[in-house]
Amino acid sequence: NAGVMQNPRHLVRRRGQEARLRCSPMKGHSHVYWYRQLPEEGLKFMVYLQKENIIDESGMPKERFSAEFPKEGPSILRIQQVVRGDSAAYFCASSPGLLAKNIQYFGAGTRLSVL
Amino acid sequence: TQLLEQSPQFLSIQEGENLTVYCNSSSVFSSLQWYRQEPGEGPVLLVTVVTGGEVKKLKRLTFQFGDARKDSSLHITAAQPGDTGLYLCAGERGSQGNLIFGKGTKLSVKP
Repeated sequence: NAGVMQNPRHLVRRRGQEARLRCSPMKGHSHVYWYRQLPEEGLKFMVYLQKENIIDESGMPKERFSAEFPKEGPSILRIQQVVRGDSAAYFCASSPGLLAKNIQYFGAGTRLSVL
Repeated sequence: TQLLEQSPQFLSIQEGENLTVYCNSSSVFSSLQWYRQEPGEGPVLLVTVVTGGEVKKLKRLTFQFGDARKDSSLHITAAQPGDTGLYLCAGERGSQGNLIFGKGTKLSVKP
């Protein structure tokens, strides 16, 4: 999983600020998934993106959260007006797609703390 | 309601012992993955099982997918301290790759 790069590793924000989490997939992978892991909870799917397209955002909260995967550059998960309940570890996974979408390689995650 | 139930939640054993952890569901999955996660890191993929009844071996680890593709088990032979970690199972439903994770089994192997 070392090939999937996430930054920052740790992010501290005050309530009401914005958080931007970045994910660069493994070389050759064009499918990106974002998951959230709350303390003592399993990972929960948030959103699935391909280059310039959101394929499935059924796990994203309806407000304040957005994601993109532009033609150039990393995928971005953006959380506006953060609240304490947003504190969690956010993981990005990439996949070669096609017939291997279930083969996902995870980054080390971004740990968001909201004060 | 947790779609994938993992048991036991915690397991502490001595080096050299054998163990089995379980991943159960009432739902059918098109594939099931096992990951290991260490503190402060992301999950690392161990294996993917696809066919009902499939058995895969990875050194001292043996993975089995239930005949009905609703459950799976992971057996570790002669556990070592390096096996310590959180073992997660994840099931794929449909074809989009959205994985549903269990809460994991936290394994501690003492020397």
